[in-house]
Amino acid sequence: NAGVMQNPRHLVRRRGQEARLRCSPMKGHSHVYWYRQLPEEGLKFMVYLQKENIIDESGMPKERFSAEFPKEGPSILRIQQVVRGDSAAYFCASSPRGGALDTQYFGPGTRLTVL
Amino acid sequence: AQKVTQAQTEISVVEKEDVTLDCVYETRDTTYYLFWYKQPPSGELVFLIRRNSFDEQNEISGRYSWNFQKSTSSFNFTITASQVVDSAVYFCALSEPNTGNQFYFGTGTSLTVIP
Repeated sequence: NAGVMQNPRHLVRRRGQEARLRCSPMKGHSHVYWYRQLPEEGLKFMVYLQKENIIDESGMPKERFSAEFPKEGPSILRIQQVVRGDSAAYFCASSPRGGALDTQYFGPGTRLTVL
Repeated sequence: AQKVTQAQTEISVVEKEDVTLDCVYETRDTTYYLFWYKQPPSGELVFLIRRNSFDEQNEISGRYSWNFQKSTSSFNFTITASQVVDSAVYFCALSEPNTGNQFYFGTGTSLTVIP
């Protein structure tokens, strides 16, 4: 039973480019969460999605960041016009039932480096 | 305000020693969940345990044990007879089902087990 999959594992972008991070939840999970981990810090919540819906985006920066979880295919976290401060590890988690009641299982993360 | 505090930034122990990682949380909810995750050098986050606020029974799983004390708002994690493979960053997290969907993570404790 495959766990949460994220790709790419490492992504390098120059300032101003776009970054697309993909997340495939565990089989049977329809709830996806994105977190950001800055160096030497814990994970910070960004957004919670269910298939085709954004449930909670209270942690998402207002500009340049967007997320989707289409009916078919992986969830995508998109960062437009990246800046150096976007360099971080981005983790995706999934859960079967959703919300804070449920255990979230994490993927291996995507490490974004902005040059 | 930080909802989850892990005051120990780094700990080093010699193999076979016992080590306790501290976690103090803050919440006004009566229903909440606490978690521990392990992040080994490879970077992924591995789920270790989940406790709900109504169950203060301590738990043991092999060399791992957890001490949940509501009176002091603590959920400490002890590794008995530590091994080199225990070297990792350990994160404590809190979820509050009545107030949101996210997990709140501490800043992590980096454990190094010296052979």
